[in-house]
Amino acid sequence: NAGVTQTPKFRVLKTGQSMTLLCAQDMNHEYMYWYRQDPGMGLRLIHYSVGEGTTAKGEVPDGYNVSRLKKQNFLLGLESAAPSQTSVYFCASSYAGQGARYGYTFGSGTRLTVV
Amino acid sequence: AQSVTQLDSQVPVFEEAPVELRCNYSSSVSVYLFWYVQYPNQGLQLLLKYLSGSTLVKGINGFEAEFNKSQTSFHLRKPSVHISDTAEYFCAVSETNFGNEKLTFGTGTRLTIIP
Repeated sequence: NAGVTQTPKFRVLKTGQSMTLLCAQDMNHEYMYWYRQDPGMGLRLIHYSVGEGTTAKGEVPDGYNVSRLKKQNFLLGLESAAPSQTSVYFCASSYAGQGARYGYTFGSGTRLTVV
Repeated sequence: AQSVTQLDSQVPVFEEAPVELRCNYSSSVSVYLFWYVQYPNQGLQLLLKYLSGSTLVKGINGFEAEFNKSQTSFHLRKPSVHISDTAEYFCAVSETNFGNEKLTFGTGTRLTIIP
């Protein structure tokens, strides 16, 4: 049981380049989330999804897009990367209906550097 | 809107000494409370959670936390720490309302164990 898998684990981008981060979960969770972690700021929610085909904005959505075409996958896209998007990105998933009650399962993170 | 405050960004503690990591929250409705741990270069793992009932909650690795509604606090404690407890600890809150289960994280407390 792999849980939540994030790819890639590391990436260096040049300013203006685009990329997609993939999150895959094999627990049949309805809810999926993308967070970014920055020193001294904790985890901030970028976008989330409450089911296949749905997405919603979180606390810091600007500069990111997401898609949830399949229940098990949640993609985070950067259309034109900026140095301010240098961060560690975490994907998480949870059960539906008061999903946070059961806690989230996190991936191991993607460390992105934009130069 | 809910929020979480972790006043201590870093806590150094001698090995085998007790430790308390402080967490205060703010919310206009009832909440679920969580502590997550992040070991170096890893994702977050659930340490313990308070949903309802007994205000003293026990988690993994000998940690416990006490929910204090009047002080809106959920402090994490361990009577005797070990080198392996070196990690960053995040307090998180979620409202109990169905459909609003997103977790809001604090900024984290880095626990350093001194041999």
